[in-house]
Amino acid sequence: GAVVSQHPSRVICKSGTSVKIECRSLDFQATTMFWYRQFPKQSLMLMATSNEGSKATYEQGVEKDKFLINHASLTLSTLTVTSAHPEDSSFYICSARGSAETQYFGPGTRLLVL
Amino acid sequence: GENVEQHPSTLSVQEGDSAVIKCTYSDSASNYFPWYKQELGKRPQLIIDIRSNVGEKKDQRIAVTLNKTAKHFSLHITETQPEDSAVYFCAANRAAGNKLTFGGGTRVLVKP
Repeated sequence: GAVVSQHPSRVICKSGTSVKIECRSLDFQATTMFWYRQFPKQSLMLMATSNEGSKATYEQGVEKDKFLINHASLTLSTLTVTSAHPEDSSFYICSARGSAETQYFGPGTRLLVL
Repeated sequence: GENVEQHPSTLSVQEGDSAVIKCTYSDSASNYFPWYKQELGKRPQLIIDIRSNVGEKKDQRIAVTLNKTAKHFSLHITETQPEDSAVYFCAANRAAGNKLTFGGGTRVLVKP
């Protein structure tokens, strides 16, 4: 149990375009989903926390208009990177938690902005 | 806010030896401490966790110890195998809430 999927697994886009990443909890209801960014050989940096039906809360330094988060249901959250630029290239990982504290991670999305 | 320090950043051990990774945290209100294993290009996988009402927890070759007074916790892997090679992250929840702060990671290499 506790499976989290993420789509797409990798995406290449042109600078200035927007990219949407989906995160789904497949076998449990996720009251909270988290979005992280991970640079090569570095740790996981929390970008934002989203609760179903409410606005996401962003970590300090993360632009909410740049990284749009929607959590429309208990099994789906989306992250849209708007007007992507090369510096947005990274590994984006979501996680989901149900009623317990454990966070289960998706497989990640590797974004390359040309 | 919470700050989690993890040491060492890299660890090389001979197959069959033990590996120990240590983490310290700053928020005395933290009460949940998970450990994740991440293989190259893959998702972090929870391997063990501990709550603040427990001092030690063991699952086969993996154990975690927690010292609340000193605000540090450690991961112990015994009888290491090549498949234990990965990056390990410790984490602590913030102010007993639902967000996690991660340590910097430890790259473990088990040499056959």
